[in-house]
Amino acid sequence: QSVLTQPASVSGSPGQSITISCTGASSDVGGYNFVSWYQQHPGKAPKLMIYDVNNRPSGVSNRFSGSKSGNTASLTISSLQAEDEADYYCCSYTSSSTIVLFGGGTRLTVL
Amino acid sequence: QLQLQESGPGLVEPSETLSLTCTVSGGSLTYNGYYWGWIRQPPGKGLEWIGSVHYSGSTYFNPSLRSRVTISLDTSESQFSLRLSSVSAADTAVYYCARLATRYRSGRYLPAWFDPWGQGALVTVSS
Repeated sequence: QSVLTQPASVSGSPGQSITISCTGASSDVGGYNFVSWYQQHPGKAPKLMIYDVNNRPSGVSNRFSGSKSGNTASLTISSLQAEDEADYYCCSYTSSSTIVLFGGGTRLTVL
Repeated sequence: QLQLQESGPGLVEPSETLSLTCTVSGGSLTYNGYYWGWIRQPPGKGLEWIGSVHYSGSTYFNPSLRSRVTISLDTSESQFSLRLSSVSAADTAVYYCARLATRYRSGRYLPAWFDPWGQGALVTVSS
């Protein structure tokens, strides 16, 4: 099954910024602005952090931002905090028969 | 505030049918532009979308699971359900229900993002 490609892990120190990439194709990330990002703490349900590439739901910290260039979307977290340590997943609509794609997930470690 | 809660058996025998229900509170299943559906996560692995349905009858399904999946809505009870037939150990996972927001493009409602999610229900397939 096709997935969006994310790095398995990233890390950063408190106060630093990190970026997680999500690489797809012109049929998904590159062709539509329907990219979303989810944060998942251990044993918890995923939480929407970014939708439509770069929009934050109400209540999500402005330290989280999203962007897209070509077939790659990115999630940037600035001023890292210990509570940001979690798994992050990207998601996109695809015009292929799969319809909805998730990335494999990225484990963020705050050093 | 819209909330979703999964319920159902935590253990299913191989070859049987997995059944889960999602109860929605604080909102309606008949919002236009929103679908309702399921996503699963095998232990230690990533997320896999199963399928989503609209109260009008429009549906989206993961083609890899489509032949085994039924998702139905009961708007009077504010519930929707998942049935996954002929299960095997590979279907062991935490199952989440979630609302799917869509965007209208080219005459269709296209999947955009999932929010909110239920807390998840672990279903183990084992004899």
